[in-house]
Amino acid sequence: AQSVSQHNHHVILSEAASLELGCNYSYGGTVNLFWYVQYPGQHLQLLLKYFSGDPLVKGIKGFEAEFIKSKFSFNLRKPSVQWSDTAEYFCAVTAGFQKLVFGTGTRLLVSP
Amino acid sequence: NAGVTQTPKFQVLKTGQSMTLQCAQDMNHNSMYWYRQDPGMGLRLIYYSASEGTTDKGEVPNGYNVSRLNKREFSLRLESAAPSQTSVYFCASSEQGEGRQPQHFGDGTRLSIL
Repeated sequence: AQSVSQHNHHVILSEAASLELGCNYSYGGTVNLFWYVQYPGQHLQLLLKYFSGDPLVKGIKGFEAEFIKSKFSFNLRKPSVQWSDTAEYFCAVTAGFQKLVFGTGTRLLVSP
Repeated sequence: NAGVTQTPKFQVLKTGQSMTLQCAQDMNHNSMYWYRQDPGMGLRLIYYSASEGTTDKGEVPNGYNVSRLNKREFSLRLESAAPSQTSVYFCASSEQGEGRQPQHFGDGTRLSIL
């Protein structure tokens, strides 16, 4: 069965710092990859997704992610974080017709 | 545009009580899902409904039942609540159950079982 690992459970950054959140999955075939964000007290929202093509995908709010097939990774990046990026970030994967599997999430705190 | 609406937003139950969580979507989506979110465990799928008239178990179905009432509504029932079911419950929907369709989430129901 597929699984998703997010190794950073908590990240604290100052405003303007660069962000990279790790995501690794275990599945050898074709995968569909997602990053969702959950702002405090809100529901999950889609940040970006990757199905095929250019492995560098751009999402909303200046986020991007890079799919590296050889490393089974789909890391999320942002060059300069803002206080408003404080949230919990979830990586999620589907493979074939399997259901969406979420990582355990990374809580990001950005200090002003 | 409401998207996915869940009721109630908060609920406290005593062990052994029953309760139904309601979910409705107005996006004409075929597939609907129920997740629970627990600290350090991410979201885990309880049940899903690929289309109207069908339901299937997810990763953690024990202690729950679901009903896909119509295309819009998908309810989750706890027949005899247990403290281990204290969690935040999210309903989601997608156009199809096929893996490329992003899911749209409701605001969640925070449920505490005493």
